[in-house]
Amino acid sequence: DADVTQTPRNRITKTGKRIMLECSQTKGHDRMYWYRQDPGLGLRLIYYSFDVKDINKGEISDGYSVSRQAQAKFSLSLESAIPNQTALYFCATSDSYRDEQYFGPGTRLTVT
Amino acid sequence: SQQGEEDPQALSIQEGENATMNCSYKTSINNLQWYRQNSGRGLVHLILIRSNEREKHSGRLRVTLDTSKKSSSLLITASRAADTASYFCATAALQTSGSRLTFGEGTQLTVNP
Repeated sequence: DADVTQTPRNRITKTGKRIMLECSQTKGHDRMYWYRQDPGLGLRLIYYSFDVKDINKGEISDGYSVSRQAQAKFSLSLESAIPNQTALYFCATSDSYRDEQYFGPGTRLTVT
Repeated sequence: SQQGEEDPQALSIQEGENATMNCSYKTSINNLQWYRQNSGRGLVHLILIRSNEREKHSGRLRVTLDTSKKSSSLLITASRAADTASYFCATAALQTSGSRLTFGEGTQLTVNP
């Protein structure tokens, strides 16, 4: 079984809809991250959380919110989706002692 | 401005040749990491080099770091078709907390059989 899972894997939604992307991990890591990837722009950090009670904005948090429901679960919400939020979204995890991150398979989101 | 910029943007080589990718960054770092991404899939961590290290090896991978020039290179020796992927450098800046990373835009490597 994959260590970091994301649901859904693909989603098409309409402008103005609320959508939630979910991430779960079995690695026992305390740190979790949400990134988006656009063609030619690499990955950009949306939000990150170093433990259940810690939530921090990344470089592009506007239009997004997150919830850390448990150490193993970190969800990303788009309250009112807009077309320029069409992208590939990745969740990642790391632990307190090592800086390398472990990525989920991604969610391809299309907002029409 | 982008912290972590890879060069070249795209590289095409024959199987068996070596591939070299470069990364430049702007701020002081704690460490620099390289990741691989197969088309449309999640990133996979390859290697981490700390700011006090100059060179590191892992299998067919060799990474160098020059903090005076704020640059790093990733060398893949004896490349294989399976190495075809995008390669990203990511920096953990000295001033930011924990393991927050900033990614570059990547180098697309194509290894032709």
